[in-house]
Amino acid sequence: EVQLVQSGAEVKKPGESLKISCKGSGYSFSSYWIAWVRQMPGKGLEWMGIIYPGDSDTRYRPSFQGQVTISADKSISTAYLQWSSLKASDTAMYYCARPMSIGSSTDPFDIWGQGTMVTVSS
Amino acid sequence: DIQMTQSPSSLSASVGDRVTITCRASQSLTTYLSWYQQKPGKAPKLLIYAASSLQSGVPLRFSGSGSGTDFTLTISSLQPEDSAIYYCQQSHSPPITFGQGTRLEIK
Repeated sequence: EVQLVQSGAEVKKPGESLKISCKGSGYSFSSYWIAWVRQMPGKGLEWMGIIYPGDSDTRYRPSFQGQVTISADKSISTAYLQWSSLKASDTAMYYCARPMSIGSSTDPFDIWGQGTMVTVSS
Repeated sequence: DIQMTQSPSSLSASVGDRVTITCRASQSLTTYLSWYQQKPGKAPKLLIYAASSLQSGVPLRFSGSGSGTDFTLTISSLQPEDSAIYYCQQSHSPPITFGQGTRLEIK
């Protein structure tokens, strides 16, 4: 079965760092891009950026550039989203998602992780 | 960024009704338009891609149409399990953008 499994919910304080993960299985992880999508409480979906695990080519939505870091370790089929200094406004559900086709960074997302809830509060 | 506008923002309909949700893009997408369904506490689920192609496993009562800037998602005969939020998404030009969502309730 093709699936993405994300790490568990996190509760952090402002200023703390955090790295959440997304592990792929059932397919060639290196050959498909992995995107991260933010959903703030009660709000819609925002595409944050995307990485190609095969060569770590990474693209960010301009509003997220410098605010988060997307990375991947193809040897363990895992993508990451990290923050160096969290803010309360980072409180959201974060999903990883895989485009439908090999090598495509823009295809629709047919496989989604279950989501990781990040809560930032003092 | 390409702006995606859905209408209505919410609607309520009865089981068996035909329901239509509209999505308008700020510039032409040709047919690079997808639809997702999201139920509470769950990840979005792909329903329609390339404006009108039904994703594998999605019931035939769901259909999509349109091209350019105007698109529709139609549910031909509403079922209780269709209560959800529906999002359109463009993949014509990065960054990928989503509509604001349409909340569908069952009367």
